Amino acid sequence: DGGITQSPKYLFRKEGQNVTLSCEQNLNHDAMYWYRQDPGQGLRLIYYSQIVNDFQKGDIAEGYSVSREKKESFPLTVTSAQKNPTAFYLCASSQTAARDTQYFGPGTRLTVL
Amino acid sequence: AQKVTQAQTEISVVEKEDVTLDCVYETRDTTYYLFWYKQPPSGELVFLIRRNSFDEQNEISGRYSWNFQKSTSSFNFTITASQVVDSAVYFCALSEAQGGSEKLVFGKGTKLTVNP
Repeated sequence: DGGITQSPKYLFRKEGQNVTLSCEQNLNHDAMYWYRQDPGQGLRLIYYSQIVNDFQKGDIAEGYSVSREKKESFPLTVTSAQKNPTAFYLCASSQTAARDTQYFGPGTRLTVL
Repeated sequence: AQKVTQAQTEISVVEKEDVTLDCVYETRDTTYYLFWYKQPPSGELVFLIRRNSFDEQNEISGRYSWNFQKSTSSFNFTITASQVVDSAVYFCALSEAQGGSEKLVFGKGTKLTVNP
């Protein structure tokens, strides 16, 4: 089945630790995105990548880092510099640009203890 | 800057009622795209519809229908004869090009509860 997978589904982290969230897609999409969702809020863009080996900051990139070494993979690292990392993280992909339909993974819920 | 407003934070209806979810957007571009997504309790966003700014035809898909009106910058979503399975958070989103890069901006969502 074609789709987007994210792992793990739930993640717990101690303060001061970096943690990496996985996102893989087999839709052959060029563009991939990371969003953060807080309770009662819409989605906010963290980072996006329109092509391999290239990515841009979104609206709330501080405290996060990404890489795009392969077309199908776009991991997100939440660093210790992110002051309030507890949230629901969603990965998405689209054929090319944001005007194309974005398809979402199941999400990772990160909790900082 | 683009902006999407979903003024209804929560709506509660009884099964079989019709319900309309409002979406108002702001943009300076003449070319833009509007989307609706459904987020059930499981958390994954499910794509419902994509509409470009040049196509003002209303669309119907089963019990779902969308009313796009450029004159009022609105893209409202109606569920006819609602069912319990329609209970979810619904997001409206807008895509436009900003400085050569394209971004999707989401409204804050409307939580719909359909009671049996």
